[in-house]
Amino acid sequence: SQQGEEDPQALSIQEGENATMNCSYKTSINNLQWYRQNSGRGLVHLILIRSNEREKHSGRLRVTLDTSKKSSSLLITASRAADTASYFCATADTGGFKTIFGAGTRLFVKA
Amino acid sequence: DAMVIQNPRYQVTQFGKPVTLSCSQTLNHNVMYWYQQKSSQAPKLLFHYYDKDFNNEADTPDNFQSRRPNTSFCFLDIRSPGLGDAAMYLCATSRVGGINEQFFGPGTRLTVL
Repeated sequence: SQQGEEDPQALSIQEGENATMNCSYKTSINNLQWYRQNSGRGLVHLILIRSNEREKHSGRLRVTLDTSKKSSSLLITASRAADTASYFCATADTGGFKTIFGAGTRLFVKA
Repeated sequence: DAMVIQNPRYQVTQFGKPVTLSCSQTLNHNVMYWYQQKSSQAPKLLFHYYDKDFNNEADTPDNFQSRRPNTSFCFLDIRSPGLGDAAMYLCATSRVGGINEQFFGPGTRLTVL
């Protein structure tokens, strides 16, 4: 069963703008991860935030986690055309072995 | 560079003809996963191995089997592919389950004729 649900399903912005994607989940988690997938390729890990963390940064990425609302957001600042991809959130259950992916947000950055 | 390798990248098979997809890793990770991903959908976990311990997802069809002969290699066997099995198959590894990040291979695109 799908754990995470993401919105929007698709997002189209101009280069230089910020992109925000949201993820909601249903059960208790050990951590939440964000991945990126270019068309027809494997997934690339972007950032992991643990359940006891509220915010994390990595370069132009900022991730927040609100465990009381069971939600997370991924912010990409100053977007570039090369950021065009699908972005997935994934939650690891408290047992730690099973990672369930959300449906993903397709981001299109126009040059 | 340490990595996850999947072969072949593209596989075409006939309806009902068994097919095997291969994954190898140089990361020496304990856990290896197989995911199925259909167009515009999330990757769906089929099963995973923690070392030699096999863990099947409850909704993974019996048609899908897996083998892990050693730490480095893991195979996905589809015994009788149907048209609905056409998808991208992704292999991933991690050090200790979902606590750590997963490293994905490039995927194998399976076409069933």
